[in-house]
Amino acid sequence: KAGVTQTPRYLIKTRGQQVTLSCSPISGHRSVSWYQQTPGQGLQFLFEYFSETQRNKGNFPGRFSGRQFSNSRSEMNVSTLELGDSALYLCASSVRTSGNTGELFFGEGSRLTVL
Amino acid sequence: SQQGEEDPQALSIQEGENATMNCSYKTSINNLQWYRQNSGRGLVHLILIRSNEREKHSGRLRVTLDTSKKSSSLLITASRAADTASYFCFSGGYNKLIFGAGTRLAVHP
Repeated sequence: KAGVTQTPRYLIKTRGQQVTLSCSPISGHRSVSWYQQTPGQGLQFLFEYFSETQRNKGNFPGRFSGRQFSNSRSEMNVSTLELGDSALYLCASSVRTSGNTGELFFGEGSRLTVL
Repeated sequence: SQQGEEDPQALSIQEGENATMNCSYKTSINNLQWYRQNSGRGLVHLILIRSNEREKHSGRLRVTLDTSKKSSSLLITASRAADTASYFCFSGGYNKLIFGAGTRLAVHP
């Protein structure tokens, strides 16, 4: 069974640009969650999608958005990039259903550098 | 602040020694999980302990959970250089998916 795939793995953008990151979950997993990891802030929860609906959202500005498609693939978008958005963005999928969190399966991440 | 918080933030030990990491969380949970991350890569699931369990073992790993104190500990016995990584606890609940700041473990040969 293929694991969680994140693309692109590395990218460099400049301030003010926007970026879209993609995550393909493990087949059969309907929950996809996103995290931002920086040296100073650790792993911060961005949002979670389940069956194309955003179920939970972390404390990030509206510049951070996401969506999930009918095949459970998910994308996240960051608009008007700032230097502080430089981070490793991790996606995880799970069979998580309402009220219960099981094991999360992570991709290798997308490392974004904003210049 | 993070719901899960680990301590210590960093731990340096010799091969063969045991490593203990602690985690505290703030709200009710369904389960608590521990993950490992090797330098800048994705996280790998280590072990899950349910809220009605007090202790669980998996190979060289031992996890305890004290729901009255909202805390958990991860013990790695007979550590190896390959255990060098960051370890995160994750409190599994419905509303938020929260990781702690992590413990950086360095195991020296």
